[in-house]
Amino acid sequence: QVQLQESGPGLVKPSETLSLTCTVSGYSISSDYYWGWIRQPPGKGLEWIGSIYHSGSTYYNPSLKSRVTISVDTSKNQFSLKLNSLTAADAAVYYCARGKSGSYHTPFDYWGQGTLVTVSS
Amino acid sequence: EIVLTQSPGSLSLSPGERATLSCRASQSVSSSYLAWYQQKPGQAPRLLIYGASSRATGIPDRFSGSGSGTDFTLTITRLEPEDFAVYYCQQYGSSPWTFGQGTKVEIK
Repeated sequence: QVQLQESGPGLVKPSETLSLTCTVSGYSISSDYYWGWIRQPPGKGLEWIGSIYHSGSTYYNPSLKSRVTISVDTSKNQFSLKLNSLTAADAAVYYCARGKSGSYHTPFDYWGQGTLVTVSS
Repeated sequence: EIVLTQSPGSLSLSPGERATLSCRASQSVSSSYLAWYQQKPGQAPRLLIYGASSRATGIPDRFSGSGSGTDFTLTITRLEPEDFAVYYCQQYGSSPWTFGQGTKVEIK
């Protein structure tokens, strides 16, 4: 059974950098599939942040591209998100997820439970 | 960017009734790369439908998806108590992938 678990600080100061890690169990990240990050501000809808292929190719939402870096560490079976220059608008539940297939055009079928990130000094 | 507009914003129905949810795209969604998710409070979204009409693994057949181009529909034929939730559509045909704002299905 594929499982994903987000980890990272729940509180980040404005202008600082958010770093989150998604640890995958039950499947080897290096084998296949796209792996993504999605966020959801409290009480609002979902926003795709970006995705990474198992080979390391990355695809970002243009609205966040200048501030986002997604990377993969196959030795730890993890992938990570860095988002810099945080503002209050970045406060959200951050989810990591797996693409349903190895195709670029794929929805997300396995999700982590999500981690709430608050931006405050 | 493709904007997805879901309607209605909320739906008040009784168990056993039929629910029809709409998702309209601002431009054609290529190859019907349209998915539907269910989200309950405090939980991650759950994939229900992909490719506009294919059910994901383990999804009951009371859930069905249809449509193409710019107009898509999620139908729940007989609402069960566990179906009351928020439903989102998502297009993954044109980057950036985008989601609709959601439809809340409430118990009447």
